[in-house]
Amino acid sequence: EDQVTQSPEALRLQEGESSSLNCSYTVSGLRGLFWYRQDPGKGPEFLFTLYSAGEEKEKERLKATLTKKESFLHITAPKPEDSATYLCAVVSGAGSYQLTFGKGTKLSVIP
Amino acid sequence: EAQVTQNPRYLITVTGKKLTVTCSQNMNHEYMSWYRQDPGLGLRQIYYSMNVEVTDKGDVPEGYKVSRKEKRNFPLILESPSPNQTSLYFCASSLSYWKGDRHARTQYFGPGTRLLVL
Repeated sequence: EDQVTQSPEALRLQEGESSSLNCSYTVSGLRGLFWYRQDPGKGPEFLFTLYSAGEEKEKERLKATLTKKESFLHITAPKPEDSATYLCAVVSGAGSYQLTFGKGTKLSVIP
Repeated sequence: EAQVTQNPRYLITVTGKKLTVTCSQNMNHEYMSWYRQDPGLGLRQIYYSMNVEVTDKGDVPEGYKVSRKEKRNFPLILESPSPNQTSLYFCASSLSYWKGDRHARTQYFGPGTRLLVL
């Protein structure tokens, strides 16, 4: 059974204080790892897809990286508007459409 | 504007009273799914549909039904709701496909339906 574990559960940062969120996964053949952002009371919003170890994707202050066992979401010089819950999800197994989510990391950026 | 709509957004009901949550998308996506989100448990997939008349169970299908008679609509049916189905529900629509051994998915979520079953 696929498992996705995100850490920490919650993270408070001062504005401008860079940090990383972690998503570790145990799957039988990773076919895609996805990052989402979720604002309170709203549906998740797609951010990135990663496939292979060593792959990186960037968007504004966010950079996602992937190794064989985990993915990191690096946040550089965060702003208060980056406050949200960040979710990681995986698809594994050839031909599968099943998406397994982690429980998320709630990020708060304090001005 | 590309969007996924859900109705109702908020619903309070009583145990055993059948209800339907509607979901509609305007992006001509083949793949649609339903999730529930609970504190401490995260997002869990209830059912998904890969096309019209093609549906399959997700991780937590018990107590739910779905149908996909049209490409744009994917309603979630609770035949006899119970208090343990109190949750925040999300419908999602995706452009999902396989390219070699890679699964590509650009998924759009609806705004959510908050359900309370008394």
